[in-house]
Amino acid sequence: EVQLVESGGGLVQPGGSLRLSCAVSGFTFSDNYMDWVRQAPGKGLEWVGRSRNKDNSYTTEYAASVKGRFTISRDDSKNSLYLQMDSLKTEDTAVYYCGRAWVIPNIQSFGMDVWGQGTTVTVSS
Amino acid sequence: IQLTQSPSSLSASVGDRVSITCRASQGISSHLAWYQQKPGKAPELLIYTASTLQSGVPSRFSGSGSGTDFTLTISSLQPEDSATYYCQRLNDYPLTFGGGTRVEIK
Repeated sequence: EVQLVESGGGLVQPGGSLRLSCAVSGFTFSDNYMDWVRQAPGKGLEWVGRSRNKDNSYTTEYAASVKGRFTISRDDSKNSLYLQMDSLKTEDTAVYYCGRAWVIPNIQSFGMDVWGQGTTVTVSS
Repeated sequence: IQLTQSPSSLSASVGDRVSITCRASQGISSHLAWYQQKPGKAPELLIYTASTLQSGVPSRFSGSGSGTDFTLTISSLQPEDSATYYCQRLNDYPLTFGGGTRVEIK
């Protein structure tokens, strides 16, 4: 069964840090691109960033709103994706989803075809 | 590139034909996906490359369009289609989502 399970969410003060994890099973994690998407309370979806696979040098992309504060990494040996969030702001409060990005590199991107259930991050004093 | 969805919400009866529009501020060819999200749940991929139905998605859903104007159509609305629908561009970074369209059943 294909499964993504996020963890690590919680309450953090503004300016603080948090590290989210996404544990993957049921498909070959190392072959795939992975995305993070977030959703603030009562709001729409916001793409956060992408991790490319080893064949594409594990490079990353970020939304402007998080660039320089958030870092995406992965450990293929643990089938896990991470989101390190630093200098957190109240506007980072959201449910954070990880998802498999269905991509044929340099040819076509099809969207996120597998999603986790999400983990909630609350930034508040 | 911005994605503008319209309407932001709609209410329709079971059996109605429903259409949702997603307009890109610049051309994105067919690099567009549609998602369905039910309350408290993660989104699910409905359509990719603007018009291709994801496996397992009912055939009453269809997508069309290319360039800047795209449409998601539900041919005969069912009670289980009550949800919020999002488009997402996939041609370049950032991979922007539209603002969403909430579909309610009368």
